[in-house]
Amino acid sequence: KQEVTQIPAALSVPEGENLVLNCSFTDSAIYNLQWFRQDPGKGLTSLLLIQSSQREQTSGRLNASLDKSSGRSTLYIAASQPGDSATYLCASYSGGYQKVTFGIGTKLQVIP
Amino acid sequence: DARVTQTPRHKVTEMGQEVTMRCQPILGHNTVFWYRQTMMQGLELLAYFRNRAPLDDSGMPKDRFSAEMPDATLATLKIQPSEPRDSAVYFCASGLTPYRVTTDTQYFGPGTRLTVL
Repeated sequence: KQEVTQIPAALSVPEGENLVLNCSFTDSAIYNLQWFRQDPGKGLTSLLLIQSSQREQTSGRLNASLDKSSGRSTLYIAASQPGDSATYLCASYSGGYQKVTFGIGTKLQVIP
Repeated sequence: DARVTQTPRHKVTEMGQEVTMRCQPILGHNTVFWYRQTMMQGLELLAYFRNRAPLDDSGMPKDRFSAEMPDATLATLKIQPSEPRDSAVYFCASGLTPYRVTTDTQYFGPGTRLTVL
């Protein structure tokens, strides 16, 4: 059974700082890995989707990397802003129907 | 601006009562997902449908939960009878996927916050 772990559970940084969020998974035979953002009381918003044949994806100040062999993915946020404050979840897709497993998330607070 | 809609947004009910949650996927999307989110377990996939057919509901307690798609514009998740441990936020998401489940982005609804007393 796939397990997805996100460390740290919470992170507080001053505005402008670059930061890295970590995601690890136990089953390296994944199809895709996806990073989401969740604001309080809201649903999830997809940030980046990395397919198994890719090593990384970039969108604006966000860069996500995937290393299947080590079972790790990272989300890099450059020049953090208060508007980046949210919970960030990673999700791995594996198994016959690409069953999705989510991490618990990292709660990020960017302090002005 | 196309969105996934869910009703009700909040539901408080007593143990033993039937609960029905509804989801309207984005028009044209062929895949619908139901998730449950709790503080302890995080986000769990309960069931998903492609082209209205259930593909996997192994994450769902079969004895009390049921999920259906009566038509392409409506997905329902029912709990009967409800129990306090069912208290959670239930999310619906939809996507457009030609083959495998996750080759495209999932779009999440705002969720239904369920409290069972």
